Amino acid sequence: KAGVTQTPRYLIKTRGQQVTLSCSPISGHRSVSWYQQTPGQGLQFLFEYFSETQRNKGNFPGRFSGRQFSNSRSEMNVSTLELGDSALYLCASSLLTGTGILPYGYTFGSGTRLTVV
Amino acid sequence: KNEVEQSPQNLTAQEGEFITINCSYSVGISALHWLQQHPGGGIVSLFMLSSGKKKHGRLIATINIQEKHSSLHITASHPRDSAVYICAVITGNQFYFGTGTSLTVIP
Repeated sequence: KAGVTQTPRYLIKTRGQQVTLSCSPISGHRSVSWYQQTPGQGLQFLFEYFSETQRNKGNFPGRFSGRQFSNSRSEMNVSTLELGDSALYLCASSLLTGTGILPYGYTFGSGTRLTVV
Repeated sequence: KNEVEQSPQNLTAQEGEFITINCSYSVGISALHWLQQHPGGGIVSLFMLSSGKKKHGRLIATINIQEKHSSLHITASHPRDSAVYICAVITGNQFYFGTGTSLTVIP
């Protein structure tokens, strides 16, 4: 079966622009969570969606937003990009939400590497 | 202040060696995860633990809730085990990631 698909794989944007990243979960998975990974901060949780509702949110400014569609595909948007937003953005999908932000039985996508110049 | 501390930060081993990576945390948790990240970014979930010990192939993960400590062991290490291993803990709706242990296994 197809894994978690993230598009695009690579992206270069200019400061001040906005960007939208996409995540298509494994078929049947209803939970999608997003993470930011940078060399300095490591992995950090952004938010989690289940059945089109945001269930958990990390400590990121309001410039970071997301949504989930009825087919469970999710998008995250970053507005007014800053140089510090350059990172690998990962999403993960799961059949169940579990009791935490990383539910059991989750699968990660390969990520979108965003570079802000 | 880091809620999750991993050690060592970097580890080089000869093929066949027994490897241990440690994770200590300072918060009460509902679960702990071990993740593996290969060059290029892909992350694989290895284990989720809330108590005791789990084994999958050559990988063993243990957790001691009282001591707030978990270990990931790799028996008979192989070059394909070379990756970054990340510990993550979940407490309520918050979670914390360790900074990772970079493992290189030399043939």
